[in-house]
Amino acid sequence: DAGVTQSPTHLIKTRGQHVTLRCSPISGHKSVSWYQQVLGQGPQFIFQYYEKEERGRGNFPDRFSARQFPNYSSELNVNALLLGDSALYLCASSLGEVGGTDTQYFGPGTRLTVL
Amino acid sequence: QKEVEQDPGPLSVPEGAIVSLNCTYSNSAFQYFMWYRQYSRKGPELLMYTYSSGNKEDGRFTAQVDKSSKYISLFIRDSQPSDSATYLCAMSAFRGTSYDKVIFGPGTSLSVIP
Repeated sequence: DAGVTQSPTHLIKTRGQHVTLRCSPISGHKSVSWYQQVLGQGPQFIFQYYEKEERGRGNFPDRFSARQFPNYSSELNVNALLLGDSALYLCASSLGEVGGTDTQYFGPGTRLTVL
Repeated sequence: QKEVEQDPGPLSVPEGAIVSLNCTYSNSAFQYFMWYRQYSRKGPELLMYTYSSGNKEDGRFTAQVDKSSKYISLFIRDSQPSDSATYLCAMSAFRGTSYDKVIFGPGTSLSVIP
């Protein structure tokens, strides 16, 4: 079975641009969460979606937004990119609502570099 | 003070050594504790999880939680070069009907030397 997939693998953008990151969860999983991992740090929670509804939001500015589609795939959008947005963006899927005891399975991440 | 603190290392041990990885936390509401392993250029993978205080063993890995001290540990016995990775502790608080978002520590980099 395919695991969590993310695209693109790498991305280079300039300040002020917009970026869209994509995630496909494991088949049958209804929950997708997004995390930002800055080099040398642990992942920081950005959003969680369950059954296409936002169920949690971390301490990130409104430049960050996300949505989940009927097939449970998800997009993370970041507007007006800043240098500090350079990070590995991780998507995780789980059967149930995250924060619960359902195991989260992480994708390989999208490495975003903002110049 | 950060919610979850972890010695970043790097930690270097010879093959076969016992490794002890530790995290401290400040939020007494945390009840669900996890350890993830992250290889370079990969996403984290869940190693173990446990609830509240106590020990849990899985093969060469033992997770230990001491809620009174707000301290969790992961022990790796007979360490192997393939254990070389970054180890992330993570935890979550129960919020009535479900658990809250997962908070990760910064991770400890481990190298097991053959």
